[in-house]
Parts: sequence; structure tokens; C-alpha cells
Amino acid sequence: QKEVEQDPGPLSVPEGAIVSLNCTYSNSAFQYFMWYRQYSRKGPELLMYTYSSGNKEDGRFTAQVDKSSKYISLFIRDSQPSDSATYLCAMSHTGGNQFYFGTGTSLTVIP
Amino acid sequence: AAGVIQSPRHLIKEKRETATLKCYPIPRHDTVYWYQQGPGQDPQFLISFYEKMQSDKGSIPDRFSAQQFSDYHSELNMSSLELGDSALYFCASSLRGEETQYFGPGTRLLVL
Repeated sequence: QKEVEQDPGPLSVPEGAIVSLNCTYSNSAFQYFMWYRQYSRKGPELLMYTYSSGNKEDGRFTAQVDKSSKYISLFIRDSQPSDSATYLCAMSHTGGNQFYFGTGTSLTVIP
Repeated sequence: AAGVIQSPRHLIKEKRETATLKCYPIPRHDTVYWYQQGPGQDPQFLISFYEKMQSDKGSIPDRFSAQQFSDYHSELNMSSLELGDSALYFCASSLRGEETQYFGPGTRLLVL
């Protein structure tokens, strides 16, 4: 079993919709939680970074971490066609430096 | 802002050949990481270096080796290439004490 589970989708939504992306994990030692966006044939691009539990907002993006449930989410408001990409969650231990990735969720925003 | 640079961007090799991938981290970043991403898969951690010393090791095959140089750039050396080594190879860099890793554009390796 992978340490990080993520629904691969694909997820298809109309433009302007709110998108919810989620990951669950099994290792309670994870303290740092990241969301990356990856366009086809490109490197992962850091979107959001959260330490421990709580919410973090950046423009149209909101990241939530619930450590008690071992569950993290990324919300995208007013989704745009340019948001169409694969979204990867990643996490690491306190003081550790290896990232553990989810499998990625493929998102398509339809104009 | 300067990003992580990887070269070459594309590489075609035959079985049993060797390949060297290069990574130039973001200026002032002292830690580099190597990941392998197969088609439709998440990036798998291979190895990382901090201040020229190996700091963490993941699923890197014995046929592969890597090092970090005094200017912090890193090279991933791959020998006896196999068909299954065909993948995207990403380098990421970070500054020690900061958990965020910034990824390069990747090197697409195709082994024929």
C-alpha cells in the first residue's frame, strides 16, 4: 500500500466550478504538505505549501490539512481552462527531505 | 526568477548504454533531489544530496550513481540502461531548512 493515496480521476468540470482535490496518507509522521501542478511533459510546479494542520489560501487556491484524519485537500475556486493539468499532492516528515507523492489527479476544465 | 535547469531535455539511448543527466539548482540552493517518473505515475524519489554529501536514498538502482559538485550542480549517472529506465527524470532543489522543493523541467530518457 502506498503511503499517499490520491484519486487519479480524471476529473472534468465546467469553467467557473469549484474543484476539490484530495489525498489521504497513512504515516502520521508527515508534517509538511505540498500541492504541485504538472502540465503534460513538464516538471511539477509548486502551488501550495502547508505545515501541520490548518488552512492556507492563495488567490483562487485553498489548501486544507486535517492531521487527525490524515486527509489533505486542495480547493480551486472559479476554475479556468488554464487550470487543466495533473495535480500532485506531496508530503514529507519533519526534518526529512524525501517527498512522498500521490499518483496525481488529472483535471480538465471545460470552457 | 531563476529555476532549476536540467540537461539534456531529451535523450535517446540503446540498451546497455550509459547516460549522464545534469542538474543545476536554483542559485543559493544547497540540496538537490532526483526523481524518476514513469508514464502515468507519480515521481519516485531516487536520491538526494546536501552540501555534496548523500543525504537520503530512495529506490535508486545499483546501476545508477549520482554526485553533487562544489558548485552544487548534480549529475545522475546511469549505466547498463534497460528498457524500463525510459522515464522522465526530474531534479529538484531546495535550501536546507526550507521544506519546499522546486522542480526542473525534467529529462525525458528513452531507451530503445
